[in-house]
Amino acid sequence: AQSVTQLDSHVSVSEGTPVLLRCNYSSSYSPSLFWYVQHPNKGLQLLLKYTSAATLVKGINGFEAEFKKSETSFHLTKPSAHMSDAAEYFCVVSPTSGTYKYIFGTGTRLKVLA
Amino acid sequence: DAMVIQNPRYQVTQFGKPVTLSCSQTLNHNVMYWYQQKSSQAPKLLFHYYDKDFNNEADTPDNFQSRRPNTSFCFLDIRSPGLGDAAMYLCATVGGSNQPQHFGDGTRLSIL
Repeated sequence: AQSVTQLDSHVSVSEGTPVLLRCNYSSSYSPSLFWYVQHPNKGLQLLLKYTSAATLVKGINGFEAEFKKSETSFHLTKPSAHMSDAAEYFCVVSPTSGTYKYIFGTGTRLKVLA
Repeated sequence: DAMVIQNPRYQVTQFGKPVTLSCSQTLNHNVMYWYQQKSSQAPKLLFHYYDKDFNNEADTPDNFQSRRPNTSFCFLDIRSPGLGDAAMYLCATVGGSNQPQHFGDGTRLSIL
């Protein structure tokens, strides 16, 4: 069975400093992995996706993530935080073959301090 | 732009008064989802459709039903809303099982 763990429920950074949001997954096969961002009263917006091509994935708004199979991790990073990055972030793993049920992490709330 | 549109964005209803939320998509995706999301939580899957095949989650209350009359539209019906049903309801679509889901902006439901 697949699972995904977001290791931090809350992360605070100062504006202009790096962001690291951690995600570990468990899967019996090579999954696709996604990071989404959710601003207040909005839907989830795709930041980036890993689908078994390059292990370093670049997304929108300067975010990137590295798929590390040996560590079963897919951590999200950004070199320099902006105030507009303050939001909830979800790590999601693709469904088991033959189903369409995506598995969500519990989310990480990113706070950016001025 | 192809997208997922949810109406209304905000819905207020009375305790026990039926309410319907709607979702439409221009992506022509086979799969559509309804999620319930409460404050500071991850979205919780209520049900999904593959074409017209309906898949209900085991813990989705009987109070919640859904209709998908065609590829483009999907509805969430809450027959007798209780205070605990106040939440954000998200609609999503996907074109294939390893593809990213596309989400609407959600409907925030309040119960008086």
